Amino acid sequence: NAGVTQTPKFQVLKTGQSMTLQCAQDMNHNSMYWYRQDPGMGLRLIYYSASEGTTDKGEVPNGYNVSRLNKREFSLRLESAAPSQTSVYFCASSEAPSGVYGYTFGSGTRLTVV
Amino acid sequence: DQQVKQNSPSLSVQEGRISILNCDYTNSMFDYFLWYKKYPAEGPTFLISISSIKDKNEDGRFTVFLNKSAKHLSLHIVPSQPGDSAVYFCAASAAVSSGSARQLTFGSGTQLTVLP
Repeated sequence: NAGVTQTPKFQVLKTGQSMTLQCAQDMNHNSMYWYRQDPGMGLRLIYYSASEGTTDKGEVPNGYNVSRLNKREFSLRLESAAPSQTSVYFCASSEAPSGVYGYTFGSGTRLTVV
Repeated sequence: DQQVKQNSPSLSVQEGRISILNCDYTNSMFDYFLWYKKYPAEGPTFLISISSIKDKNEDGRFTVFLNKSAKHLSLHIVPSQPGDSAVYFCAASAAVSSGSARQLTFGSGTQLTVLP
């Protein structure tokens, strides 16, 4: 009964370092998403994957790349971290194509870039 | 330009009273609206949704009202309980073409505090 699992939960990076945030879901959902949450901004979509083998940009994709490794896993990579990428990152998944019941979210990764 | 707006960053209510959280949207293509609840250090969890063809949906203590002409929705919690203290996000979604995936557009959230 894991749902959506994100690793790591916390990370501190220096400016210019790279890292990959991992996400896996066990609900056999087709669609997966990466959001970031910033104070006063709500959750903003970075990238999403409608189905295995496809990825698309969301509202704030600059500075990020994604990989849909298989149906279960969707990773987010920061190639050269910047302080503006300090945020809480949430991965989510949903049934497709309707998704009308919304997403199931992971518990988040709190990233600080110094 | 925010398509989904929650203009009240915070709301305090006495236990047992009604909590009313408000949300406005601008995109007339939105056809599903959802409310999520978020506790600190956890991911948002789905609370209740409403289709644009309805004006009300009820689930236990939670009721969502949709006013399409005003592009406004609200979440009513009756009676409010201390465990309801959390951040509440309004979200909206529009239909997409076949093969794509619905995206949720979120408001900035309202921190609800229910006082014992």
